[in-house]
Amino acid sequence: SQTIHQWPATLVQPVGSPLSLECTVEGTSNPNLYWYRQAAGRGLQLLFYSIGIDQISSEVPQNLSASRPQDRQFILSSKKLLLSDSGFYLCAWSVAGTLRSNQPQHFGDGTRLSIL
Amino acid sequence: DAKTTQPTSMDCAEGRAANLPCNHSTISGNEYVYWYRQIHSQGPQYIIHGLKNNETNEMASLIITEDRKSSTLILPHATLRDTAVYYCIVRGHNYGQNFVFGPGTRLSVLP
Repeated sequence: SQTIHQWPATLVQPVGSPLSLECTVEGTSNPNLYWYRQAAGRGLQLLFYSIGIDQISSEVPQNLSASRPQDRQFILSSKKLLLSDSGFYLCAWSVAGTLRSNQPQHFGDGTRLSIL
Repeated sequence: DAKTTQPTSMDCAEGRAANLPCNHSTISGNEYVYWYRQIHSQGPQYIIHGLKNNETNEMASLIITEDRKSSTLILPHATLRDTAVYYCIVRGHNYGQNFVFGPGTRLSVLP
């Protein structure tokens, strides 16, 4: 069966520090991968999605970037964190080729990021 | 620009069926209805999805009205562990379409 792992589960970082959040998927090949952010008391906002290695699409302009160095690895980064980057970051995957289909996305357990 | 409307909160007695409604009156022909739930401090969990026929799996049943303008998620025998925020999402399969999560319904299963 497929599993998705995110780490760390929680992170406290000072303003201006760099960020690297990692997500890996097991049990499937060439998945579509996604990064979302959920601000407190609000819905999820899609940040990035990827249909393959080094193929990243950004949904909103922001202080963050994403990379996919391997098929099942998705990394969310920042060079200098802002206070507004605080939130709950979720990685998700879906079956390959399903940007055009009805297959659901499956989410990891998230990273709770606090910026001080 | 949420495409769905759900009650803010609902209560359900443990062991009874929980029926969570969702209105999606502007749904278009190629859009599916998805249900997820989120337990505090965890990622959203996929429950079920459908296009126009009723669907059932080991977690729940999805009833979609004939005009597809509304649907109901049914948890047949709610347990305390079903307490969560439930999200109804309408999504098409055009390239680049993504899952837009609204505020959802906070279901409290009471002992």
